[in-house]
Amino acid sequence: NAGVTQTPKFRVLKTGQSMTLLCAQDMNHEYMYWYRQDPGMGLRLIHYSVGEGTTAKGEVPDGYNVSRLKKQNFLLGLESAAPSQTSVYFCASTDNWVQPQHFGDGTRLSIL
Amino acid sequence: AQSVSQHNHHVILSEAASLELGCNYSYGGTVNLFWYVQYPGQHLQLLLKYFSGDPLVKGIKGFEAEFIKSKFSFNLRKPSVQWSDTAEYFCAVNANGQNFVFGPGTRLSVLP
Repeated sequence: NAGVTQTPKFRVLKTGQSMTLLCAQDMNHEYMYWYRQDPGMGLRLIHYSVGEGTTAKGEVPDGYNVSRLKKQNFLLGLESAAPSQTSVYFCASTDNWVQPQHFGDGTRLSIL
Repeated sequence: AQSVSQHNHHVILSEAASLELGCNYSYGGTVNLFWYVQYPGQHLQLLLKYFSGDPLVKGIKGFEAEFIKSKFSFNLRKPSVQWSDTAEYFCAVNANGQNFVFGPGTRLSVLP
């Protein structure tokens, strides 16, 4: 049972490049989330999804897009990467609004 | 909007010392409270959670937390820390179907 799997684990981009981060969960969870983690700021919610085909904005959605075409997958896209998007990105999932979230191992993204 | 504050940015203790990490939240209604731990280079893992009932909650690895509603606090404690407790600790709040809000984190360094 893999839980929540994120790919890639590390990536370096140049300003203006695009990329997609993939999150996959095998727990049949309805809810999925993308966070970014920056020093001294904890985790901030970028986008989330409450089910297949749905997405919603979180606290810091600008510069990111998401898609949830399949229940088990939640994709985070950066259309035109900026240095301010250098961060560690975590995906999480849960089967209920109030239940604890299960986290992936993170993607460390550097934008030069 | 909900917010979560954690009193200390970095705590340094010697092994066997007692630990208390502060967490305060700003929300007047019913809340669900969580503590997560992030070991170096790893993802967040749930330490303990509080939904209702006994305000003293016991979690894994000897950790416990006390919910004091009048103080809007949910402090994490451990009687005797070990070197392996070196990690970053995050308090999180979830209220009335809203998304989780995480605190900025407290880094704990335990000296052998």
